[in-house]
Parts: sequence; structure tokens; C-alpha cells
Amino acid sequence: QQQVKQSPQSLIVQKGGISIINCAYENTAFDYFPWYQQFPGKGPALLIAIRPDVSEKKEGRFTISFNKSAKQFSLHIMDSQPGDSATYFCAASNSGNTGKLIFGQGTTLQVKP
Amino acid sequence: SAVISQKPSRDICQRGTSLTIQCQVDSQVTMMFWYRQQPGQSLTLIATANQGSEATYESGFVIDKFPISRPNLTFSTLTVSNMSPEDSSIYLCSAIQGWNTEAFFGQGTRLTVV
Repeated sequence: QQQVKQSPQSLIVQKGGISIINCAYENTAFDYFPWYQQFPGKGPALLIAIRPDVSEKKEGRFTISFNKSAKQFSLHIMDSQPGDSATYFCAASNSGNTGKLIFGQGTTLQVKP
Repeated sequence: SAVISQKPSRDICQRGTSLTIQCQVDSQVTMMFWYRQQPGQSLTLIATANQGSEATYESGFVIDKFPISRPNLTFSTLTVSNMSPEDSSIYLCSAIQGWNTEAFFGQGTRLTVV
């Protein structure tokens, strides 16, 4: 019940294309859903986060779509760039402790020039 | 957000020994956490480091193996004790500056046990 399932495991997109990564959760107590970006040799960095009171959040080229009834959320990267090549993790937590995160398995994104 | 520095950034250790990893934040934080990231895998929470009291461990992690200290609001240590090759991982320190705020991470400590 604590799991967050993420797909796909890896993704190859052409420059300028749209990258889509999906996550699903089971615990209905989760109410904070961040996405982290991790480059090799670095720690994860927060990209964007959403709470269930909205169905979509956009920051620049990055958009989170959230479906509360389906317990699913997804990250869309518009106009993908080679610099976006990294590993992306979705996560979930209870807003009472946003540091106690359950992470998805990760998606390795490669954007080809 | 504040900046987390971890020391060492990497180490190669002999099995049976212990390694202490330091985590320093450049400003006071509400909570600190330790995560493990096994090679090519996701992050798993080891424990919450509580200031001035025993850490709170997640299922599968015990104090004897991963003793944690947090003497003040900006510093914590994680010790990996009696290491085996299965302990080879990246260990990450994380923190939040206030309740219901984003978690930020250090750069990690890459540990290899031989």
C-alpha cells in the first residue's frame, strides 16, 4: 500500500518532442506528489510538485497532471532538450511530513539531438 | 532552499569496518533524513534523524546497523556499521526547512565495500 509505481523505466525522445512519465500510487493518505530530477553523480533536485486540490500544474516546460480518482499522476516535458537527459523520480508523501518520501522506481530519459 | 554538504563524497571500505557520513546544512532545518540509493535503483528512506533523540527507523533498517546522530539543527551523521558488499550504495542526506515544504538533498556519498 506504500508503493509508488513508475513507468516507463527508460525513455528515448527526439529533441523538441514530448516526454511523458507516469506514476500510480495506492495509499489514499498521500497528498503531496513531487517530481525529482537526478543527474549522474548528483543528488535529486525538486522539479515540480502537486497537491490533490488541483488537476494540473505547469512550470515552464514541465507539467504535472493529476487524477485523484485513478490515483495516478504524470510528468510531461514539452519541447524536450538534450539537457533534460537525466533520471526522473516521482514520489509521494503525506503533507504532514513532506520529507518522508516514497519514491517510484525512476525513469531514465535520453533526449536525442 | 538551503544547501546540504555531505562528507565524504565517496569512499571504498573493507568489509567488516564502519564508515561515518557527515551531513551539514547551511541553515537551520526542521527535519533531516537519510536515504539509500542502491546502484541504478530508486531511493529508500532509512530513517528520520531527530534532534537530541534517537532516530526513527523505517522497516528493514535498524539502529545497530545504521546509527544516526543529530546533535543540532544543521548537522547529522549516519554510520554504516560492520559493512558488507551489500551495503555498497549511495547514501543521501535530505532535509526540509519547514513543515509541508519541499525536501532537498545533498549530493550523496558513494560507498563501495570490498
